[in-house]
Amino acid sequence: DAGITQSPRHKVTETGTPVTLRCHQTENHRYMYWYRQDPGHGLRLIHYSYGVKDTDKGEVSDGYSVSRSKTEDFLLTLESATSSQTSVYFCAISEAMRTGVTDTQYFGPGTRLTVL
Amino acid sequence: GQQVMQIPQYQHVQEGEDFTTYCNSSTTLSNIQWYKQRPGGHPVFLIQLVKSGEVKKQKRLTFQFGEAKKNSSLHITATQTTDVGTYFCAGEGQGAQKLVFGQGTRLTINP
Repeated sequence: DAGITQSPRHKVTETGTPVTLRCHQTENHRYMYWYRQDPGHGLRLIHYSYGVKDTDKGEVSDGYSVSRSKTEDFLLTLESATSSQTSVYFCAISEAMRTGVTDTQYFGPGTRLTVL
Repeated sequence: GQQVMQIPQYQHVQEGEDFTTYCNSSTTLSNIQWYKQRPGGHPVFLIQLVKSGEVKKQKRLTFQFGEAKKNSSLHITATQTTDVGTYFCAGEGQGAQKLVFGQGTRLTINP
């Protein structure tokens, strides 16, 4: 498995509180992604990063923000958590973009977030 | 935006039976990737298809990419209990630089 860790692995929080999830990689890969996984929806992209301080929105970015100040760390923040953000969150990394083709993505172990 | 539909959502088979999952995109893809997620685990990359009409095999698994690069399939011959899990396709639109995942097909097997 690629060197990807996520913290925390499990979190229970209350509606309206801020939450930050951390993804850490030791592979020095350029691209990092945050997905959420919900039954019946597969994996949906929240935000991704293509370099330090370079980020872009995915298909379900509302209510989420990200930051990447170092190559190895990609943070996902829920400014004010809502029950609809209860989900399993996966971080993924990929090495580079070959010409016109996204490289293999390696996934972290996931964070199970429950918002009460 | 780009959509990737995957069917069936669930499939239950007897051990030894074959299994197929299908993936269809609303737009032409530059490539498609397949991932497997074991229960309680994280998605793990299986294969990437790039060329129109491409067929790749990994032991009992056969992957196909359609001629129009809008659909793909994964076929497993003679399933084993180790094949249990959810299989996802993920397509990348032309110049999109990001993957869109299908909803996944959850495979369960009766030994």
